[in-house]
Amino acid sequence: RKEVEQDPGPFNVPEGATVAFNCTYSNSASQSFFWYRQDCRKEPKLLMSVYSSGNEDGRFTAQLNRASQYISLLIRDSKLSDSATYLCVVTTYSSASKIIFGSGTRLSIRP
Amino acid sequence: NAGVTQTPKFQVLKTGQSMTLQCAQDMNHNSMYWYRQDPGMGLRLIYYSASEGTTDKGEVPNGYNVSRLNKREFSLRLESAAPSQTSVYFCASSEAHRGGDTQYFGPGTRLTVL
Repeated sequence: RKEVEQDPGPFNVPEGATVAFNCTYSNSASQSFFWYRQDCRKEPKLLMSVYSSGNEDGRFTAQLNRASQYISLLIRDSKLSDSATYLCVVTTYSSASKIIFGSGTRLSIRP
Repeated sequence: NAGVTQTPKFQVLKTGQSMTLQCAQDMNHNSMYWYRQDPGMGLRLIYYSASEGTTDKGEVPNGYNVSRLNKREFSLRLESAAPSQTSVYFCASSEAHRGGDTQYFGPGTRLTVL
């Protein structure tokens, strides 16, 4: 089983729709969680950090469920420009730091 | 303010050749990282440098060496390239190696080993 798992998609949704995807992780000692966005043939860029209390940034909402060991990303009122691959990142900082990227969920917004 | 820069952007090597990928950041970050990204897989950490003068292995260090030349620069060396090292390589930096710090990525180097 992979340490961090994401549904690869693609999710193909119409503009204006709400879309959500999850990312599950296996290490209960994981400490920090992030969502990154990666456009085709480009570098990943931070979308948002994920806090225990959940956080919202405009149309984007991220949540963490430690009991079930998953993080989620909700995109409301989706735009064409939201088309990208969304990577979840789970980190553990200890004597052997681990930064694990999920393989990504591809999202395509159609007009 | 260029952020994180990487050279070269593209490279083709023959099996057994060596090369060094260069990375530099101008954000005065303490920590730097090298990842590889293969189709259908997430980025995998090769090596990282939590601070100037230190380097540590990540998830997939075999076949690679790194040098933290100074606070700005972190290079990745392939001593004897193999086809399995065909990948896209990303360098990243963060203010510190601790939870919650954003990583900033360079544009990547696309490496093909024949």
